[in-house]
Amino acid sequence: EVQLVETGGGLIQPGGSLRLSCAVSGFSVSSNYMSWVRQAPGKGLEWVSVIYSADNTYYADSVKGRLTISRDNSKNTLFLQMDSLTAQDTAVYYCARVQLGREAYAFDIWGPGTMVTVSS
Amino acid sequence: AILLTQSPSSVSASLGDRVTITCRASQGISSALAWYQQIPGKAPKLLISDASSLESGVPSRFRGSGSGTDFTLTISSLQPEDFATYYCQHFNNYPHRFTFGPGTKVDIK
Repeated sequence: EVQLVETGGGLIQPGGSLRLSCAVSGFSVSSNYMSWVRQAPGKGLEWVSVIYSADNTYYADSVKGRLTISRDNSKNTLFLQMDSLTAQDTAVYYCARVQLGREAYAFDIWGPGTMVTVSS
Repeated sequence: AILLTQSPSSVSASLGDRVTITCRASQGISSALAWYQQIPGKAPKLLISDASSLESGVPSRFRGSGSGTDFTLTISSLQPEDFATYYCQHFNNYPHRFTFGPGTKVDIK
């Protein structure tokens, strides 16, 4: 069964760090493009980061230099290391697989999400 | 950077109604657009990719159309499970980013 499950969310103080994990089953993270998307409470979807099969990584301007995407192929797991967190990082964080369409790159498989709350 | 706008921001409709949602890109993007449905408390679900390709398992009452700058998601006959927020999304290679529209909430009249 194809499945993504995020863990690692929680309450963290401003300036702190957190590491999110996304356990993948049913396909290989090493041969797929994988991404993180977040959603602040009551707000829309915001793309955060993507990692390609060749280990190229890209980030939204809002998180560049503070958040780092990576993967462990042996554990078939995607990670998001989150440093220097601020209240604006409070959101549900989703991991998602990137589908390569004829023209569009889209997110075809999503995890249920993990909540990150940055507050003192 | 390409921006996506959606209209309306919300729509109230009844069961069986035809609902049309528009997504406009700030510059031409050919057919590089996807549509998602998000039910409150749940992860988004991909409905349509490449502007008009229905994903496997998505009911045929959902239809995507358009190219260039103007795109439409149409629900031909609204069902109870369709009350949700709908987002359009585009990937741009330079600068390298994925962009979502602000969303359109479909609720019960």
